[in-house]
Amino acid sequence: DAGVTQSPTHLIKTRGQHVTLRCSPISGHKSVSWYQQVLGQGPQFIFQYYEKEERGRGNFPDRFSARQFPNYSSELNVNALLLGDSALYLCASSHGTSTAQETQYFGPGTRLLVL
Amino acid sequence: AQSVTQLDSQVPVFEEAPVELRCNYSSSVSVYLFWYVQYPNQGLQLLLKYLSGSTLVKGINGFEAEFNKSQTSFHLRKPSVHISDTAEYFCAVIRSGGYNKLIFGAGTRLAVHP
Repeated sequence: DAGVTQSPTHLIKTRGQHVTLRCSPISGHKSVSWYQQVLGQGPQFIFQYYEKEERGRGNFPDRFSARQFPNYSSELNVNALLLGDSALYLCASSHGTSTAQETQYFGPGTRLLVL
Repeated sequence: AQSVTQLDSQVPVFEEAPVELRCNYSSSVSVYLFWYVQYPNQGLQLLLKYLSGSTLVKGINGFEAEFNKSQTSFHLRKPSVHISDTAEYFCAVIRSGGYNKLIFGAGTRLAVHP
């Protein structure tokens, strides 16, 4: 079975630009979460979506937004990019039926570099 | 609010030696605990998790961890490491009954030398 997939794998943008990152969850998983991992740090929670509804949001500015589609895939959008947005963006999926105790399966990430 | 402290940023160890990676957490509510491993240029893979029950949890690749509620710790151990265990290890907590907000520590870099 395919795991969580993310695209693109790498991305270079300049300050002020907009970026869209994509995630396809494991088949049958209805919950998708996004995390930002800055170099040398642990991942930080950005959003969780379940059944196309936002279930949780981390401490990130409104420049960050996301959505989930009927096929449970998800997009993370970041507007007005700053140098500090350079990071590995991780997507994780889970079944979504038992929430917190479920295992979240992570994709390989999208590495974003903002110049 | 919850927080996680991984007490060692780097742990060098020789092959076939035992290792312990330390993790302490802080929370005013009940939490579940996780250890994830991240190999270079890859995402995170679950090693093990503690939800309830026996405080000694066994995971993949020969790793185990012990939940200590009084010390608010969840240390990860392996009796004999291999070169292939070289990776970044993350301890994480999530509020039980909450949504999927994993809170991670800063990570411990395990470097296994021949």
